[in-house]
Amino acid sequence: NAGVMQNPRHLVRRRGQEARLRCSPMKGHSHVYWYRQLPEEGLKFMVYLQKENIIDESGMPKERFSAEFPKEGPSILRIQQVVRGDSAAYFCASSRTKGQSYTEAFFGQGTRLTVV
Amino acid sequence: KNEVEQSPQNLTAQEGEFITINCSYSVGISALHWLQQHPGGGIVSLFMLSSGKKKHGRLIATINIQEKHSSLHITASHPRDSAVYICAVRPPGGGNQFYFGTGTSLTVIP
Repeated sequence: NAGVMQNPRHLVRRRGQEARLRCSPMKGHSHVYWYRQLPEEGLKFMVYLQKENIIDESGMPKERFSAEFPKEGPSILRIQQVVRGDSAAYFCASSRTKGQSYTEAFFGQGTRLTVV
Repeated sequence: KNEVEQSPQNLTAQEGEFITINCSYSVGISALHWLQQHPGGGIVSLFMLSSGKKKHGRLIATINIQEKHSSLHITASHPRDSAVYICAVRPPGGGNQFYFGTGTSLTVIP
């Protein structure tokens, strides 16, 4: 049972390009969370998705950022027209259910985005 | 003010020492996680707590819900324990929309 898989591990983009980050949850998990870790800062929640639904996007920047979790395939975090301030590590986590108090969270290895 | 505060920010210890990392939070929670992050690496959930105390090997985690405080202890510390330890709290009724502490960077010297 593979863990949460994120790819790519490292991504370099020029300013103005698009970045697409992928997250495949653990087998049997239908809930995905994305977090961002800016340099020298703590992790921040971005968005919570179930299959084909965005449940909570209260942590997403209002512009240029979007996320999806289609019926088939991985969850995708998309950043359009990247700027240097988007350089960060992006982590996803998955869980089997909504996240009741007994439910563990399993994290991926992260994607480190560098905008040049 | 952050919802989750950790102390200390940085910690250096000699191998074999007993280590304590503290976490205080100001929001209601349904669970608290202690996470470990190695440099350039992913994040591993060490413990999930909603009450009391848990032990796993040399690691012990405690939580006091009334005082909104948790501690992570490492007994007989080892250089391979060197990592960033992060406290994360889950709000009531929600999913894993955690509030995270800024982390404690631990270095254990041989």
